[in-house]
Amino acid sequence: QSVLTQPPSVSGAPGQRVTISCTGSSSNIGTGYHVHWYQHLPGTAPKLLIYGNNNRPSGVPDRFSGSKSGTSASLAITGLQAEDEADYYCQSYDSSLSGFVFGSGTKVTVL
Amino acid sequence: EVQLLESGGGLVQPGGSLRLSCVASGFTLSSYVMSWVRQAPGKGLEWVSEISGSGGSTRYADSVKGRFTTSRDNSKNTVYLQMNSLRAEDTAVYYCARKFSGGDGWFDPWGQGTLVTVSS
Repeated sequence: QSVLTQPPSVSGAPGQRVTISCTGSSSNIGTGYHVHWYQHLPGTAPKLLIYGNNNRPSGVPDRFSGSKSGTSASLAITGLQAEDEADYYCQSYDSSLSGFVFGSGTKVTVL
Repeated sequence: EVQLLESGGGLVQPGGSLRLSCVASGFTLSSYVMSWVRQAPGKGLEWVSEISGSGGSTRYADSVKGRFTTSRDNSKNTVYLQMNSLRAEDTAVYYCARKFSGGDGWFDPWGQGTLVTVSS
């Protein structure tokens, strides 16, 4: 079981807004460690979407945004597009484990 | 273009060994901490190991500690993962990734991955 909890799946129609939650604890997100987000299509390399809670790397559309509060973080996708169908993972650091931790992953389906 | 290319995966029997390689291009490897991350079939991502730019410092997930060793040869632009005493639960796609920032940094980019299957 993953240290960071995400919903298994979310879905939305094209153009809609969806959000993915990432719930941690006092030993990771709640301590103040940053949260990062990745998009992963099966058979390909995971792609960095958001770093440092709410920063987008160059080339990532501004439809993707991140936020963090307390022991949780969220990824929002606005103006959902068919190409956004993928698995999404949050990532942080855990002081109890002394290592990096990932969320359980969320599959986004565009209806 | 910054790229990472893994190799060395394959089928190995339980208790066996395998060495994975990750060749970097497009950046100065010695300037970066590098990590290995794996994904078991139908499962999520799991961080495996990290090695400092000089290779002098390493750390591992508890699930592989004592069995896996990560090393690097910056002159060959290559990072390695030596996997010993392999178990069925080590079956996964193994990715290498460049790490940014400090202790709670992020991974970018990632390689395409190499599949390791542990089975008799």
